[in-house]
Amino acid sequence: DAGVIQSPRHEVTEMGQEVTLRCKPISGHDYLFWYRQTMMRGLELLIYFNNNVPIDDSGMPEDRFSAKMPNASFSTLKIQPSEPRDSAVYFCASSSGGSGNTIYFGEGSWLTVV
Amino acid sequence: GQSLEQPSEVTAVEGAIVQINCTYQTSGFYGLSWYQQHDGGAPTFLSYNALDGLEETGRFSSFLSRSDSYGYLLLQELQMKDSASYFCAVPEGSGANNLFFGTGTRLTVIP
Repeated sequence: DAGVIQSPRHEVTEMGQEVTLRCKPISGHDYLFWYRQTMMRGLELLIYFNNNVPIDDSGMPEDRFSAKMPNASFSTLKIQPSEPRDSAVYFCASSSGGSGNTIYFGEGSWLTVV
Repeated sequence: GQSLEQPSEVTAVEGAIVQINCTYQTSGFYGLSWYQQHDGGAPTFLSYNALDGLEETGRFSSFLSRSDSYGYLLLQELQMKDSASYFCAVPEGSGANNLFFGTGTRLTVIP
């Protein structure tokens, strides 16, 4: 299996622009997660889906952030408008679910907002 | 809420043994996971302990004491490639399907 695939790997954008991050989970995984990693806040969960349905979006920082999962093999995280404080590494991850199941991370999307 | 405490940095010599501790406070406990992350890379799974005791996987072992709300990751025969950040994590949320991560311990292995 190719693992979790994210795009773009790196993005530099200007403040105010829309940013769309994309993710393809591992085939057969029912759970998809979006995490954000920064030096200040560490690795924090933004939102996760089960069978394409958002289950917990309490980590989404504000209305500028939105996430969708239109089908089992694709998800997007959108930031509109972007701000410099959104600069971070955004990880998509997937798993089969359950407390003991491994969560597999993609390589991350490195976002810089200038 | 959840709280995980682990040291921010550890330095150890190549070939030595190092232990990274993690204490937790959780509302409901299912188990303790450990992930490794190299600079510029993704977190990758190392181990999961649901029950008390030691789990061994090659050079890495993980220990859990539920009564003490404490666990550790033990790395033996350290190699330079073990230099990375190590995160403890606990399942949380409805169904315990997602993970809450600690702040990570940066391990530096020196020659």
